[in-house]
Amino acid sequence: AQSVTQLDSQVPVFEEAPVELRCNYSSSVSVYLFWYVQYPNQGLQLLLKYLSGSTLVKGINGFEAEFNKSQTSFHLRKPSVHISDTAEYFCAVSPWSGAGSYQLTFGKGTKLSVIP
Amino acid sequence: EAQVTQNPRYLITVTGKKLTVTCSQNMNHEYMSWYRQDPGLGLRQIYYSMNVEVTDKGDVPEGYKVSRKEKRNFPLILESPSPNQTSLYFCASSPPRGQGVTEAFFGQGTRLTVV
Repeated sequence: AQSVTQLDSQVPVFEEAPVELRCNYSSSVSVYLFWYVQYPNQGLQLLLKYLSGSTLVKGINGFEAEFNKSQTSFHLRKPSVHISDTAEYFCAVSPWSGAGSYQLTFGKGTKLSVIP
Repeated sequence: EAQVTQNPRYLITVTGKKLTVTCSQNMNHEYMSWYRQDPGLGLRQIYYSMNVEVTDKGDVPEGYKVSRKEKRNFPLILESPSPNQTSLYFCASSPPRGQGVTEAFFGQGTRLTVV
């Protein structure tokens, strides 16, 4: 089984400041890692994903995340946030293979509020 | 346009009145699933389907049913809704892993209120 912990439930940040949203996971098998974003009153949109290879992955809207296997972390970063980044962000994992390989296990979400 | 379509987007119903939330995808995906989203709990899987006529329970299946008679459709059925099923529901679909795409595609969500 897998579990995902998003360490901050809410993160307020001023516009144009950098932000880091933290995500740690636990799994007995190798996993794929994802960040999804949910804008107000909308569905989930994939921000970025780590499958293999380079541990630094770049996504849409200037976000990037770094996979750290030894710390089982996948933190999301953006060097300069905009008002439009206000949303809820979800970290998720799914196993590479096996019966549950399509199932996504989500963290509880981090609400990012960008302050003008 | 590739998409997952849920209907209705919003639904208010009374306790015990059977309802169905429809989900349809046009990407020919084999894997489909339902999640519910509750404040502070994130998304939790209700049921999933690996293919037509193959369904299985997720983490929170109690009070729900599903069916998969066609590849594109995966309806969620609440036979006797209760107030604790008030939630935001998402349908998702995923292609086979061998096709090089691993992420799930989500519908726009159905906000259900049971009074």
